[in-house]
Amino acid sequence: DTAVSQTPKYLVTQMGNDKSIKCEQNLGHDTMYWYKQDSKKFLKIMFSYNNKELIINETVPNHFSPKSPDKAHLNLHINSLELGDSAVYFCASSQGPDGYTFGSGTRLTVV
Amino acid sequence: KNQVEQSPQSLIILEGKNCTLQCNYTVSPFSNLRWYKQDTGRGPVSLTIMTFSENTKSNGRYTATLDADTKQSSLHITASQLSDSASYICVVSVQYGNKLVFGAGTILRVKS
Repeated sequence: DTAVSQTPKYLVTQMGNDKSIKCEQNLGHDTMYWYKQDSKKFLKIMFSYNNKELIINETVPNHFSPKSPDKAHLNLHINSLELGDSAVYFCASSQGPDGYTFGSGTRLTVV
Repeated sequence: KNQVEQSPQSLIILEGKNCTLQCNYTVSPFSNLRWYKQDTGRGPVSLTIMTFSENTKSNGRYTATLDADTKQSSLHITASQLSDSASYICVVSVQYGNKLVFGAGTILRVKS
C-alpha cells in the first residue's frame, strides 16, 4: 500500500525518558513533515525536510530533534520527555504545493 | 498573525440531511485552501484543494466554496451518511514555504 506510515501508534512513557517516533513514506515525495496536534485539536507544524535537508524549523523545544536518513524517512527523537509533550504527533509528506498525505498519528502520553 | 477559524465547533445532524461548515482565515500571502476530513484515531485526509481563482470545487457529496475577497470558505455536505461523522478541518497554505495553517476543526456527528 502506498502510504505514510508511522510507528508506534501509541507510546506511554515516563518523564525524563528518551523516545523516538519513526516515519516512512513510499509515495516518492520530496518533502516530509512533523506536526503536533494538541488537546485543542490544532495541528501545528514542527519540522519540514526536503530531500533530507531541514527547511522549516518552527519554535519547538530543543529536546525535539528530527533526523532524516533519506528522503523516504523522517524520524522524531525526543529527549528528556516532559508532561507537556503529551499530544498526537503526525508525520506527513508532500510533492509540490498539493498532495499532502498524513500518517495515522502517534499518541504520546508522558506520565 | 496567520489564523484559521472554523464554525461551528461541533454539529449533530440526522442521516440524510445536509449541512454547511464555515471557515474564515487571515492567512497572507495566500496559496490555497484545503478541507480535510479526520476520522477518530486517523490522520487528516484531503477532500478538496482550491486556489485563489477557484470559487467552488466538488468531491462527491462534498462541495467547497471559496470567497478570496472576504477570506471565507464553506464546506457543504449533501445527504449525510453515518460515515461522515468526523472532524472537518479547514487548512490554508501560506505561499512560498510549504506551510499549512490549520483550523481547530468542526466535529460532525451524523446520527440515524
